[in-house]
Amino acid sequence: DAGITQSPRHKVTETGTPVTLRCHQTENHRYMYWYRQDPGHGLRLIHYSYGVKDTDKGEVSDGYSVSRSKTEDFLLTLESATSSQTSVYFCAISEEGTANQPQHFGDGTRLSIL
Amino acid sequence: DAKTTQPPSMDCAEGRAANLPCNHSTISGNEYVYWYRQIHSQGPQYIIHGLKNNETNEMASLIITEDRKSSTLILPHATLRDTAVYYCIVRVYSGYSTLTFGKGTMLLVSP
Repeated sequence: DAGITQSPRHKVTETGTPVTLRCHQTENHRYMYWYRQDPGHGLRLIHYSYGVKDTDKGEVSDGYSVSRSKTEDFLLTLESATSSQTSVYFCAISEEGTANQPQHFGDGTRLSIL
Repeated sequence: DAKTTQPPSMDCAEGRAANLPCNHSTISGNEYVYWYRQIHSQGPQYIIHGLKNNETNEMASLIITEDRKSSTLILPHATLRDTAVYYCIVRVYSGYSTLTFGKGTMLLVSP
């Protein structure tokens, strides 16, 4: 299995508080991704990174920011959490961003915002 | 990216082959076919992918029709641990390419 660790695995917090989720990889892959999964919507891309300090928006980026200061770590921040951001968040990695490179996923963070 | 159509659910007896179909009739020549699965409350797991040739790895086989409009994922000897939602995805080749997950097929493997 790909060496991907997401932390925390579960979090409950209140509306308006800042939240940071961490994705750590040991594969030295260039690309890292954050997805959210909600019933009826499948997985949707939030942000992705194609290198240290290189990031771009995905399909549902509003309300989220990311940072990548090291190859192995990709952080997802909710500056002021809202109940609509209650979801399961998955991090993924790939060697490159092309279609011939599979993405490998972590086990997810279950986030509840009350 | 091309859309895919999969049956919402399938059943399979343990030890038998599970054949999961996927229709991607609008696929372009530069799009890959990918299969992932997701076991309840876990992250999606990559299974296999291909462009136009059939592919096989330690988990499964991927059969792509000659016109590339459909494909079949084959789990040769299904076990109870193969019970999961299986997703068929097509991805364009050129440049950066993300994954778009649809609803998938819920495969239930029974004793």
